[in-house]
Amino acid sequence: DAGVTQSPTHLIKTRGQQVTLRCSPKSGHDTVSWYQQALGQGPQFIFQYYEEEERQRGNFPDRFSGHQFPNYSSELNVNALLLGDSALYLCASSSIQGAANEKLFFGSGTQLSVL
Amino acid sequence: SQQGEEDPQALSIQEGENATMNCSYKTSINNLQWYRQNSGRGLVHLILIRSNEREKHSGRLRVTLDTSKKSSSLLITASRAADTASYFCATDRGANSKLTFGKGITLSVRP
Repeated sequence: DAGVTQSPTHLIKTRGQQVTLRCSPKSGHDTVSWYQQALGQGPQFIFQYYEEEERQRGNFPDRFSGHQFPNYSSELNVNALLLGDSALYLCASSSIQGAANEKLFFGSGTQLSVL
Repeated sequence: SQQGEEDPQALSIQEGENATMNCSYKTSINNLQWYRQNSGRGLVHLILIRSNEREKHSGRLRVTLDTSKKSSSLLITASRAADTASYFCATDRGANSKLTFGKGITLSVRP
């Protein structure tokens, strides 16, 4: 049983560019949440998707957008990249039936470096 | 913003010793969870305690919750080198609400 998979594992971009990160949730999970983790900090909630809709959003600008597909996989898009967007981006999946914020399963993350 | 604040920020112990990590939070919560992260990669869920519970055990883990003091502690007994990791507490304010993580504690267990 595959867990949460994220791609790519590493990415280098320059300021102003756009990036798309991808996530496949654990089998049987229907809810995907995205987190940003800066070096030495805890994960910060970006947004959560369920039934192909953004259900909750953290304190992130509109440059951060996402999408969930019918197979529950998800994408995180960041436009007009800033140096401060450099971080580890984590995808977490859960089941709405088990309460979507309990016992999250995390992927290994995408390390984004903005130069 | 961070809801939880872990204490201490870093902890170094000898293998076999117990490790105690603390988490304080600011607002009322529904659940509190602890996660482990190895080498800046994905987080692994360790244990969840609900606001109406005071103590839970899972293997070598013991977590307590004091809602009057808005604090929780995680005890790892008989630590092993493999326990070396960063540990985060995370809180939520209701079913399906977002999780808010603290800054984490770095635990080093010396062989």
